[in-house]
Amino acid sequence: SAVISQKPSRDICQRGTSLTIQCQVDSQVTMMFWYRQQPGQSLTLIATANQGSEATYESGFVIDKFPISRPNLTFSTLTVSNMSPEDSSIYLCSVEGTSAYEQYFGPGTRLTVT
Amino acid sequence: AQSVTQLDSHVSVSEGTPVLLRCNYSSSYSPSLFWYVQHPNKGLQLLLKYTSAATLVKGINGFEAEFKKSETSFHLTKPSAHMSDAAEYFCVVSDRRSSASKIIFGSGTRLSIRP
Repeated sequence: SAVISQKPSRDICQRGTSLTIQCQVDSQVTMMFWYRQQPGQSLTLIATANQGSEATYESGFVIDKFPISRPNLTFSTLTVSNMSPEDSSIYLCSVEGTSAYEQYFGPGTRLTVT
Repeated sequence: AQSVTQLDSHVSVSEGTPVLLRCNYSSSYSPSLFWYVQHPNKGLQLLLKYTSAATLVKGINGFEAEFKKSETSFHLTKPSAHMSDAAEYFCVVSDRRSSASKIIFGSGTRLSIRP
């Protein structure tokens, strides 16, 4: 299984600012995924990021609010822009596993917006 | 459309007793199904997966799940609960609407273990 790290592990930010979350994988992967887990809730997919192409966003998420970069096959960033308290969540990245639809998850970034 | 329903938001059992976490799915094709576990302040870990092979799937830490197509269920069980099993459990179904290998999470079941 892939080893995934995320930075930062947690942060407290002021409203109106932006935070960029990094996701690093120890092997090359085609697809990476970004999820949001609001307090006490399940995971919701924000977008799918393929290397060399624009990220594909799910309904309810837009590039201006959550810009994503995917510069190579082992790294991706998610930016949470112009933050509000409603953005307080855990943000997780994941990568495809060895079998269909299996995904491995990073440890998550716990974001609190005040 | 694909969806997954976890029937219990919270399950509490005594240590040493069986665990049953219920999951029903809806899919227009043969799905791939998974159970993930999330311990407090830790990442998600894959417990087990069903991908059209054996219907009884064994996972880590003594957990297993049975795929029942007739009942559209994929319930998670463990014969004897341990204190370390206390966590949030998510049932997940594959989403084949697009070429990307996306998955859909259930709402989660919080498992508590009583001493």
